[in-house]
Amino acid sequence: GAGVSQSPSNKVTEKGKDVELRCDPISGHTALYWYRQSLGQGLEFLIYFQGNSAPDKSGLPSDRFSAERTGGSVSTLTIQRTQQEDSAVYLCASSLWTYTGELFFGEGSRLTVL
Amino acid sequence: KNEVEQSPQNLTAQEGEFITINCSYSVGISALHWLQQHPGGGIVSLFMLSSGKKKHGRLIATINIQEKHSSLHITASHPRDSAVYICATRAGGGADGLTFGKGTHLIIQP
Repeated sequence: GAGVSQSPSNKVTEKGKDVELRCDPISGHTALYWYRQSLGQGLEFLIYFQGNSAPDKSGLPSDRFSAERTGGSVSTLTIQRTQQEDSAVYLCASSLWTYTGELFFGEGSRLTVL
Repeated sequence: KNEVEQSPQNLTAQEGEFITINCSYSVGISALHWLQQHPGGGIVSLFMLSSGKKKHGRLIATINIQEKHSSLHITASHPRDSAVYICATRAGGGADGLTFGKGTHLIIQP
């Protein structure tokens, strides 16, 4: 597609439920990143994919968070047993190359956990 | 762990003024990004630098690797430049997650 696409754009869920967030990167981009931005806070790195593998999972805040990428394209970020502190905007970005590529960001998925 | 510090946190200026936003980091990096985030909007990558200087329109970004410092300049500022500007560094050695500064909230008044 023309840009990085994320869905849903908004998600309201109850505490304890599982949620899945989807990212569709720019076609041909090998690197894909997940970040989150909590209200009034800066951006926080979650996980990075090179192709289908995730060499850097260091930012995932707990084992309730997981992500996968299939076919070197679409990625899903899953949050199990959501907590109120998970409320944030979850941003996806992709780049053509891993170390030198310019980043292109999606519009984000706003998650609200009640 | 890399620490990324931006200054100022908030900046209000008049239309036409020359704007400088600074970013310092603590460890060696492979690249530095300047990002722009409009209120309620997505994030746009402005520059990616590993050395020297880049210019795009009224925006100029510089980086001094020895001093671990980068600056973003806006010439002839305009109200549409009002946004949060974020500095982010990419470490080398296989750790590819970005480390972000807290951002500089810029307001350009007409």
